Amino acid sequence: KNQVEQSPQSLIILEGKNCTLQCNYTVSPFSNLRWYKQDTGRGPVSLTIMTFSENTKSNGRYTATLDADTKQSSLHITASQLSDSASYICVVTEANDYKLSFGAGTTVTVRA
Amino acid sequence: DTEVTQTPKHLVMGMTNKKSLKCEQHMGHRAMYWYKQKAKKPPELMFVYSYEKLSINESVPSRFSPECPNSSLLNLHLHALQPEDSALYLCASSPPAQRLLPGELFFGEGSRLTVL
Repeated sequence: KNQVEQSPQSLIILEGKNCTLQCNYTVSPFSNLRWYKQDTGRGPVSLTIMTFSENTKSNGRYTATLDADTKQSSLHITASQLSDSASYICVVTEANDYKLSFGAGTTVTVRA
Repeated sequence: DTEVTQTPKHLVMGMTNKKSLKCEQHMGHRAMYWYKQKAKKPPELMFVYSYEKLSINESVPSRFSPECPNSSLLNLHLHALQPEDSALYLCASSPPAQRLLPGELFFGEGSRLTVL
């Protein structure tokens, strides 16, 4: 069973609107959580990273939150642009052996 | 722009061909990775090299053969592949864990492989 679950699997939004992606994980012990953006056919690019003690982290129009108690994270995209169309992947690092667990990703399509 | 460079970007090969994928980074990272990614799926770890030594092989078939000639280069040699091996192959590198948070991966743009 995958230790990182993302929802929704895909979503379509209009340009200028906001959206929120969810990531739930069971990885333990926890080291950190990253959100990556992956354009079609390209390699993933890191957006944010959060450790146990961090609740929120922003990178431009991207804001990630983390609730380490409930093991949930979200990625909020504000004022979406066409260039935000991509897959967003949640990756959780396990402490001790640094094993990475990847979520299946959420595909975001922004339409004009 | 990514600082991990992969070549070629696209590769089409037959099942009897021998080809190689190449990856290069000059960030001083001492861990390098090969991932395989099928469409609409997350990347799957294949191999990890740490200080030029193979440290993880995730039960990958022997038709995939990794090589790490030096700390900046990582190759993936391909031979007798199957059509189901068609995928995006991603190279990644990471700095020593004590310099940054563990698990920090820098990905290349990927090599799109099609096996006919």
